[in-house]
Amino acid sequence: QSALTQPASVSGSPGQSITISCTGTSSDVGSYNLVSWFQQYPGKAPKVVIYEVTKRPSGVSNRFSGSKSGNTASLTISGLQADDEADYFCCSFTGSDSYVFGTGTKVTVL
Amino acid sequence: QLQLQESGPGLVKPSETLSLTCTVSGVSITMSGYYYAWIRQAPGEGLEWIGSVSYRRGTSSRGITSYTPSLKSRATISLDTSKNQVSLKLGSVSDADTAVYFCVRHPRGGLEGSWGQGTLVAVSS
Repeated sequence: QSALTQPASVSGSPGQSITISCTGTSSDVGSYNLVSWFQQYPGKAPKVVIYEVTKRPSGVSNRFSGSKSGNTASLTISGLQADDEADYFCCSFTGSDSYVFGTGTKVTVL
Repeated sequence: QLQLQESGPGLVKPSETLSLTCTVSGVSITMSGYYYAWIRQAPGEGLEWIGSVSYRRGTSSRGITSYTPSLKSRATISLDTSKNQVSLKLGSVSDADTAVYFCVRHPRGGLEGSWGQGTLVAVSS
């Protein structure tokens, strides 16, 4: 069960939009609409920003949106802000009550 | 108010067994539809799902489990319904098991849900 592939880093200027990809296989991302995205600040527990590919938890900014095409899921952050600078991880259900995380992406706000 | 609190030794010797407890407050761990996962993060690294457990009425009170293949032979996750706790035991530890370990309450299909603050376990002689 290999980790999902994410770019190591993505950067953007304030106000811009960025997109983070999360590539898996037909056994995980491609098979289930059960991809979530987590935001993590240093020394803190991760916080979900998107679940079930496109759903946003209460309290999460609508600047965060998710999508999926084939074996690749994506997280888009629009109107980039300074406090969006964090690590982001995707996670997919893989069947049989199992899960796999992505490799993680460091977002830098220039 | 739902809270999850991890606890256990912060230092474990190589080849020994790492034992952690997650104390759940504000909800019964026997509530249907929810799972409890252990997730870890080595220093400077990504997240790794270790396994999940759920309570199923009519089955073992220790719960129904699933594990990541790479740790299945060394990990045991179980429920203690009398104490409303979830435990993790990881045997034959090495340096590679040094990590922050998180306890998470989640629905089936996703690890979104409530996370504990995490506890750092170092493996060192």
